[in-house]
Amino acid sequence: SQELEQSPQSLIVQEGKNLTINCTSSKTLYGLYWYKQKYGEGLIFLMMLQKGGEEKSHEKITAKLDEKKQQSSLHITASQPSHAGTYLCGAVGPTYGGSQGNLIFGKGTKLSVKP
Amino acid sequence: EPEVTQTPSHQVTQMGQEVILRCVPISNHLYFYWYRQILGQKVEFLVSFYNNEISEKSEIFDDQFSVERPDGSNFTLKIRSTKLEDSAMYFCASSRQGGTQYFGPGTRLTVL
Repeated sequence: SQELEQSPQSLIVQEGKNLTINCTSSKTLYGLYWYKQKYGEGLIFLMMLQKGGEEKSHEKITAKLDEKKQQSSLHITASQPSHAGTYLCGAVGPTYGGSQGNLIFGKGTKLSVKP
Repeated sequence: EPEVTQTPSHQVTQMGQEVILRCVPISNHLYFYWYRQILGQKVEFLVSFYNNEISEKSEIFDDQFSVERPDGSNFTLKIRSTKLEDSAMYFCASSRQGGTQYFGPGTRLTVL
């Protein structure tokens, strides 16, 4: 079955610093989603990547999917306390080849930003 | 901006009791999902639902679980006889065909 490994498991950064979170898949990704979760709350959609080499940005967050479509990174520039939370990568499950179907998630990366 | 809503936000129940968790998906979405997250663990897929029937379900989704779309707006998850290990956050999600899944805020289920 498909597994997603996220690294690091947790991260503490000083406000204003840049950071990168990685997500590695054991199989080729058909679609890779990034979500943010605050403790005890729901998942907030950030970005979705489908094509090898694709890169998307929203405000200070940039996500990339490598050419082989097995690894994605999430980069935050000039981190702020509002960026704190747990970042989850999710991949479309193996049952479907496209973007319809259940999502398999990594364990998440917990980000703390110190003011 | 449309969003998925869930009720209740927190449900406490005794072991063996039935619970129904409710979700209102985004209005023009046709695909619906339930996921759960046991404290400190991964978010896990339970079931997907389309066109009034289950599309896919995981091993977790056994005979104790059922889903229903009782009307044009609600989507429910029923657990017939709750166990201690059913304690978790339950998330509902919805999407358009081939689209991003948008999640609700979750229902925290505590089984005593």
